[in-house]
Amino acid sequence: NAGVMQNPRHLVRRRGQEARLRCSPMKGHSHVYWYRQLPEEGLKFMVYLQKENIIDESGMPKERFSAEFPKEGPSILRIQQVVRGDSAAYFCASSPLGASYEQYFGPGTRLTVT
Amino acid sequence: DQQVKQNSPSLSVQEGRISILNCDYTNSMFDYFLWYKKYPAEGPTFLISISSIKDKNEDGRFTVFLNKSAKHLSLHIVPSQPGDSAVYFCAATNDYKLSFGAGTTVTVRA
Repeated sequence: NAGVMQNPRHLVRRRGQEARLRCSPMKGHSHVYWYRQLPEEGLKFMVYLQKENIIDESGMPKERFSAEFPKEGPSILRIQQVVRGDSAAYFCASSPLGASYEQYFGPGTRLTVT
Repeated sequence: DQQVKQNSPSLSVQEGRISILNCDYTNSMFDYFLWYKKYPAEGPTFLISISSIKDKNEDGRFTVFLNKSAKHLSLHIVPSQPGDSAVYFCAATNDYKLSFGAGTTVTVRA
């Protein structure tokens, strides 16, 4: 019974490149959430998606960041033209239908921008 | 704006003794509270939760207490074990957005 999968686990990008982070939710979960953790801080909500729908992206920067959860395949968090301040750990969580409090987290992707 | 605060960045406790972690919140709309445990290079793992209609929830060695009037909750771990050494995050929500504290690093000494 696989948990939430994220890949890659570590990603190094130069300033100006694009970063793509992938998340496969737990089997049977239809809701995906992305959080970002900056050094010495707690996780901060970025976006909430259901299949083919963005429900709430209020925590995501308006520029350069986008997220999707297609009908088939993993959820993708995309960061264009990365800057040093994007360096952080990005966590994906999933929950079953009707139980949004029960969020199960993946191992995270640590993005380093050089 | 930091709605959930964990004011103690670290806690050291002897094996077998009680660990008490504290958390304060400012948003009175929060109605569900959770504690997560996190090891390095892993994602947060759910530990225990409590609804705002309760003031205590117990699960094995872990007990969470909620004081709504003080907007304060605490996690008690007893007895503490070496495997409990980790970062503990308090989180709160009233919908699907979890608001996290900055975490408390617990070290259990042998």
